[in-house]
Amino acid sequence: DQQVKQNSPSLSVQEGRISILNCDYTNSMFDYFLWYKKYPAEGPTFLISISSIKDKNEDGRFTVFLNKSAKHLSLHIVPSQPGDSAVYFCAASAAQGAQKLVFGQGTRLTINP
Amino acid sequence: NAGVMQNPRHLVRRRGQEARLRCSPMKGHSHVYWYRQLPEEGLKFMVYLQKENIIDESGMPKERFSAEFPKEGPSILRIQQVVRGDSAAYFCASSEYNEQFFGPGTRLTVL
Repeated sequence: DQQVKQNSPSLSVQEGRISILNCDYTNSMFDYFLWYKKYPAEGPTFLISISSIKDKNEDGRFTVFLNKSAKHLSLHIVPSQPGDSAVYFCAASAAQGAQKLVFGQGTRLTINP
Repeated sequence: NAGVMQNPRHLVRRRGQEARLRCSPMKGHSHVYWYRQLPEEGLKFMVYLQKENIIDESGMPKERFSAEFPKEGPSILRIQQVVRGDSAAYFCASSEYNEQFFGPGTRLTVL
């Protein structure tokens, strides 16, 4: 029962272009969403989050969009840089605050020079 | 300002042995979470603890696994009588409110 799904296992983007990573969820109780970036042999690093009361949150090159009716969120990275090459995980929780996170399977992003 | 610390980074055990994984949360964080990542999969929640209390252990296997977060010292994830299927990366995270910050993980290999 995969409640958070990242249907693209991998994505390849040219340096300087926009990277768009997608995530779908099935549990309507999810209220808070996060994106993490992970390099090999390291722990996930928090990137950006969004509450269900918003439909967009922006932080520098990173923007997260939330479409509650479609149960879909996306992470936009622009412009993409070689250092962005990593595995990106979408995560969701039932509320803000201290709650367990449910993760997607991850999308491996490769930025080509 | 040290981040979340986990040790050991790598742990090798033979089937039937015990594995103890340690996690020190970030300074000022009172919530600790343990997640497990199997190869080519996402992270799966195991347990959520506060000092001296287990808040949510809905992701913990019913047998052989236990966790604690004592008043003093790190949080411990304990796996008794390990089996090959326990081989995975185990990540600890801590938070004060919303965002969880992860440690580097412990990679457990069961021979």
